[in-house]
Amino acid sequence: DIQMTQSPASLSASLEEIVTITCQASQDIGNWLAWYQQKPGKSPQLLIYGATSLADGVPSRFSGSRSGTQYSLKISRLQVEDPGIYYCLQGYSAPFTFGSGTKLEIK
Amino acid sequence: EVKLLESGGGLVQPGGSLRLSCAASGFTFTDFYMSWIRQPPGKAPEWLGVIRNKANGYTTEYNPSVKGRFTISRDNTQNILYLQMNTLRAEDTAIYYCARLDTFYYWYFDFWGPGTMVTVSS
Repeated sequence: DIQMTQSPASLSASLEEIVTITCQASQDIGNWLAWYQQKPGKSPQLLIYGATSLADGVPSRFSGSRSGTQYSLKISRLQVEDPGIYYCLQGYSAPFTFGSGTKLEIK
Repeated sequence: EVKLLESGGGLVQPGGSLRLSCAASGFTFTDFYMSWIRQPPGKAPEWLGVIRNKANGYTTEYNPSVKGRFTISRDNTQNILYLQMNTLRAEDTAIYYCARLDTFYYWYFDFWGPGTMVTVSS
């Protein structure tokens, strides 16, 4: 199985700050990486697919990048509605696997 | 508008069985792969399995963690996805989501239902 190592586990940042979350894949998965945001009591919502493509309706302050087998989600200016848990997902091969999650809070 | 709505969750004793349903609307159901994903309280999601679309013969593939105990099926006349769960264990306690799998290029879950809670306990 492909392991997705996500960091940090938790993060506290101020409004308007830049936030970066990373996922490291255990093997090459190309751009087969998606990012999700989950708010309490809700299902995960798609933010980024194909490592860098913004999903419909997602604010442009969210962006994704890739360097080898390391993937990053960046929030350029943290807003009050951004706290939640963020997960990465590899869709390269089954069993599809998620990162362990990053809990983002406002400082 | 794409909608997915799970039902059938509840409290079940260890060793018991449960069948979950997911009603889909707003898209051509037979065109899409569909998956079940679960999330234990406070933990990351876990993909359980997939059932392919009409073009790929509605075949299935499972996570080895549940293979042999869980079965995914679909009713393409009523646009319903099913998850049959047998020999349930305490560690199967989780919120169970159905999700549509976008496979047109990169693969990812583009729409999820709100989930249904399954609790396995005596």
